Amino acid sequence: DTGVSQNPRHKITKRGQNVTFRCDPISEHNRLYWYRQTLGQGPEFLTYFQNEAQLEKSRLLSDRFSAERPKGSFSTLEIQRTEQGDSAMYLCASSADRDHGYTFGSGTRLTVV
Amino acid sequence: AQTVTQSQPEMSVQEAETVTLSCTYDTSESDYYLFWYKQPPSRQMILVIRQEAYKQQNATENRFSVNFQKAAKSFSLKISDSQLGDAAMYFCADFTGNQFYFGTGTSLTVIP
Repeated sequence: DTGVSQNPRHKITKRGQNVTFRCDPISEHNRLYWYRQTLGQGPEFLTYFQNEAQLEKSRLLSDRFSAERPKGSFSTLEIQRTEQGDSAMYLCASSADRDHGYTFGSGTRLTVV
Repeated sequence: AQTVTQSQPEMSVQEAETVTLSCTYDTSESDYYLFWYKQPPSRQMILVIRQEAYKQQNATENRFSVNFQKAAKSFSLKISDSQLGDAAMYFCADFTGNQFYFGTGTSLTVIP
């Protein structure tokens, strides 16, 4: 068990470019979450997967955002046509089930210039 | 939308002393969990303590304990014998349905 892994740790991109982040959860965890954290705030929910099914999406997740978990293992979060307001920390978390602990990754910090 | 309120943006404590961080929440659900997470500068969210809402007994983990007042929707964290390594941002969170609702955090400074 190596914890939840997120790559890259940092990403700087120009406005209008597309970016993709990856999250590798703990191997036996079937629940996977994406959160966004801006400076001075707590994380905000973006989306939730159970296995490969995306079961919930926040209204924060505009049509420029898409997330996948194709085989119920790793997940990707893609942001198209990035805007400066997308600059934030993107956190991934996983859990075996609702009643147990949730492990967070170290996040991907996105800076849009 | 559910709200978790942490009214203390910053707190400080002398090393070896005790500090209490406050948190209130407003879920209307009967089935929920409450958490305290610690986020050091390394930025990974680390679980400090967890409380099931249906349990009346306050959770305890070594030097960390909570005061869970369900009727008042209050969930404070007490850190005893504070250590320098406790310095971090602390987030209170309510897990309802399938998501966390986080507060805005309390930055804890430990003074040697």
